[in-house]
Amino acid sequence: GQNIDQPTEMTATEGAIVQINCTYQTSGFNGLFWYQQHAGEAPTFLSYNVLDGLEEKGRFSSFLSRSKGYSYLLLKELQMKDSASYLCAVRGGYNTDKLIFGTGTRLQVFP
Amino acid sequence: DTGVSQDPRHKITKRGQNVTFRCDPISEHNRLYWYRQTLGQGPEFLTYFQNEAQLEKSRLLSDRFSAERPKGSFSTLEIQRTEQGDSAMYLCASSGGTANTGELFFGEGSRLTVL
Repeated sequence: GQNIDQPTEMTATEGAIVQINCTYQTSGFNGLFWYQQHAGEAPTFLSYNVLDGLEEKGRFSSFLSRSKGYSYLLLKELQMKDSASYLCAVRGGYNTDKLIFGTGTRLQVFP
Repeated sequence: DTGVSQDPRHKITKRGQNVTFRCDPISEHNRLYWYRQTLGQGPEFLTYFQNEAQLEKSRLLSDRFSAERPKGSFSTLEIQRTEQGDSAMYLCASSGGTANTGELFFGEGSRLTVL
């Protein structure tokens, strides 16, 4: 089966650092994606990991451990505009291109 | 490149009616996906195409749902005999092209309300 878990909600303060965790159990694995989705808008791509380790892109970093079925998204120097839902998604195998999404983590950034 | 566009953006219909949504992907993308999203949930996979071939369809998708991509460009998603449980945001996404990282580019979605 396919199962992707992430916390439902998180809160943080402007300027702080927040880590959003994602664990997955899928029948195959061919990449993990993080998307940001503001309320009422389409998801937008943030990061992609297929090998173990950390990928850094500006204020956002994403980490993957395939042996543990675990990833996190790290957001630094939080800004009010970072208040959004963050979706973890897994591409489940070599014979499919579809992404399976978690339920998303709603992050609220307070001043 | 104008991004993925979907039409209509909003649709209100009565239970039992049929509805059709259209998606125009990014022009050089050969893969097109349909997802459904309800409030507080992540996108749920419905089906996807590579060019005009429908490669995969969710087992959760009832026979009332059908999707086509006749010429490998735009796609339509039809829901027959709508039910209140079909109320959701229907998202289309595309991927492919020369710089194919596998990321999906989403449209703004078509919001369906079934009364």
